[in-house]
Amino acid sequence: SQKIEQNSEALNIQEGKTATLTCNYTNYSPAYLQWYRQDPGRGPVFLLLIRENEKEKRKERLKVTFDTTLKQSLFHITASQPADSATYLCALVRDYKLSFGAGTTVTVRA
Amino acid sequence: SAVISQKPSRDICQRGTSLTIQCQVDSQVTMMFWYRQQPGQSLTLIATANQGSEATYESGFVIDKFPISRPNLTFSTLTVSNMSPEDSSIYLCSVDPYNEQFFGPGTRLTVL
Repeated sequence: SQKIEQNSEALNIQEGKTATLTCNYTNYSPAYLQWYRQDPGRGPVFLLLIRENEKEKRKERLKVTFDTTLKQSLFHITASQPADSATYLCALVRDYKLSFGAGTTVTVRA
Repeated sequence: SAVISQKPSRDICQRGTSLTIQCQVDSQVTMMFWYRQQPGQSLTLIATANQGSEATYESGFVIDKFPISRPNLTFSTLTVSNMSPEDSSIYLCSVDPYNEQFFGPGTRLTVL
């Protein structure tokens, strides 16, 4: 059966550093992959989408890579800020249906 | 973008009862999705609701337990029937008009 795994541990980093989150998957061929941010008590908010034929996407301080051979996506938050503290979810998409990973909680210390 | 509202935002219910959750979108969309997020876990897709047709349920979810209505292109309801404490979760609806999903704020359900 398909499996989506994100960093199992929460990530605690110092303000200004880069946070790198991992999303690995098996038994799945997504058309594209998305990253979401979720704050406590709220629904996920879309951040970035990367397609299977794209290697890298950037948006402001965010960068996503997608390696379909390794079946892995990396999500980077550069120059992190305390406001970046949240849970980040990766989602694999096929036929408009999303399959989510469990999420990685990031805490940025001032 | 799409703005989604849900009602109620939270509820506490007794086991054996049913709760209907409403989802309203500010624009017309073809597909609406219902997700469940159990405590400390990620989101799981319950079903996809298209206007004018029966909802499509994912493995592990059945229409008798989670009946869905989709009367028009901006509205949907999800009913959680014959509730048990295991149904305590956050229920979210979402839409995907532009290859990115927009989520509602969720309905936090507690079943006693």
